Amino acid sequence: GENVEQHPSTLSVQEGDSAVIKCTYSDSASNYFPWYKQELGKRPQLIIDIRSNVGEKKDQRIAVTLNKTAKHFSLHITETQPEDSAVYFCAAANSGNTPLVFGKGTRLSVIA
Amino acid sequence: DGGITQSPKYLFRKEGQNVTLSCEQNLNHDAMYWYRQDPGQGLRLIYYSQIVNDFQKGDIAEGYSVSREKKESFPLTVTSAQKNPTAFYLCASSPSMAGDQPQHFGDGTRLSIL
Repeated sequence: GENVEQHPSTLSVQEGDSAVIKCTYSDSASNYFPWYKQELGKRPQLIIDIRSNVGEKKDQRIAVTLNKTAKHFSLHITETQPEDSAVYFCAAANSGNTPLVFGKGTRLSVIA
Repeated sequence: DGGITQSPKYLFRKEGQNVTLSCEQNLNHDAMYWYRQDPGQGLRLIYYSQIVNDFQKGDIAEGYSVSREKKESFPLTVTSAQKNPTAFYLCASSPSMAGDQPQHFGDGTRLSIL
């Protein structure tokens, strides 16, 4: 089955700097890669996702890149702000009847 | 996501007691999921359901049970066999079981042992 590894587990950046979180996956059939943000004590919320037919997707300050050959994908947050502080989860899945497989999360702290 | 309602928000369990966590969705989604989250840990899948009257075990099903009698409801029972139930429990749903669809989460239930 699918296995998703996420790095780093914790990340601290200065406000205004960029943050990058990386994930690798094992199943070459995976074709859907969402990213979730979870603030303390709250629900995970989908912030961006990418499908395997594109290599990059942007939404304002966040972007996700996908390298299918290397089986890894990354979340990029530019011009970080204190409200970006949260735990971020990556996930992977294919179009078959199997659930998303989540990484273990990255705790991002943006220092003002 | 207002479409998924979990209750209660906080729950306390006594030794040897079964407790049931409620999850209701009005998104007309076919698939529903239960996850357990421990402090500083990721999301671990307990059970999932593709359709009414059907469900499958996830990675950590021991000590838990579920039912799916209605499309909109997927309650989770934490049985006395679950010796370490203290955790944050999240319910989620997606339009179908096809893995390439985003999951929408409820606000969670925090379960503690008395």
